[in-house]
Amino acid sequence: EAQVTQNPRYLITVTGKKLTVTCSQNMNHEYMSWYRQDPGLGLRQIYYSMNVEVTDKGDVPEGYKVSRKEKRNFPLILESPSPNQTSLYFCASSLSPRAGELFFGEGSRLTVL
Amino acid sequence: QQQVKQSPQSLIVQKGGISIINCAYENTAFDYFPWYQQFPGKGPALLIAIRPDVSEKKEGRFTISFNKSAKQFSLHIMDSQPGDSATYFCAASRWAIYYGGATNKLIFGTGTLLAVQP
Repeated sequence: EAQVTQNPRYLITVTGKKLTVTCSQNMNHEYMSWYRQDPGLGLRQIYYSMNVEVTDKGDVPEGYKVSRKEKRNFPLILESPSPNQTSLYFCASSLSPRAGELFFGEGSRLTVL
Repeated sequence: QQQVKQSPQSLIVQKGGISIINCAYENTAFDYFPWYQQFPGKGPALLIAIRPDVSEKKEGRFTISFNKSAKQFSLHIMDSQPGDSATYFCAASRWAIYYGGATNKLIFGTGTLLAVQP
């Protein structure tokens, strides 16, 4: 089954404790991206990756890091989480940036206390 | 800076009625306009999309109407059903230049929570 898998799905952590949200896709997609979803703000792009070892900032990259060492994986790293990073996070992938359709994971709800 | 404005924020429709969600954009460089549907606890999924060379696209009960001159597009759900209750996001896409080339940048609206009452 074609899918984008995120882990963990739910996480409660404290300010300053480093965490990583993993994302893996099994569709051999080149393009991957992270979004955060907040009430009234819709989906905002954090980082994206065109291919292995190629990443770039989205609209709200502050406080986040990413890496793309393998085509299938695109982890999101919060080095020192803060309460304003409490949000619902989505990883997405696409066959190519021009293909249009993004396939989303089921989301990771993060709470930073 | 919000480049895609979506309204209404929430919508209640009776079963069998027509649901209409509107979006407006500013950047004329946008060249792809998808709608995503999101059920509670799930990620968004592509519902229907249109390119600016056509004014309307229909897939089953879902229709996108596109007005290039007004820079507006809308989603119409005919014969709305309780199973259509979800959050709907419009989006607009354009090429963006980065250091290694170009990418297709997708910008989402703020979402509309649709409730279809039985």
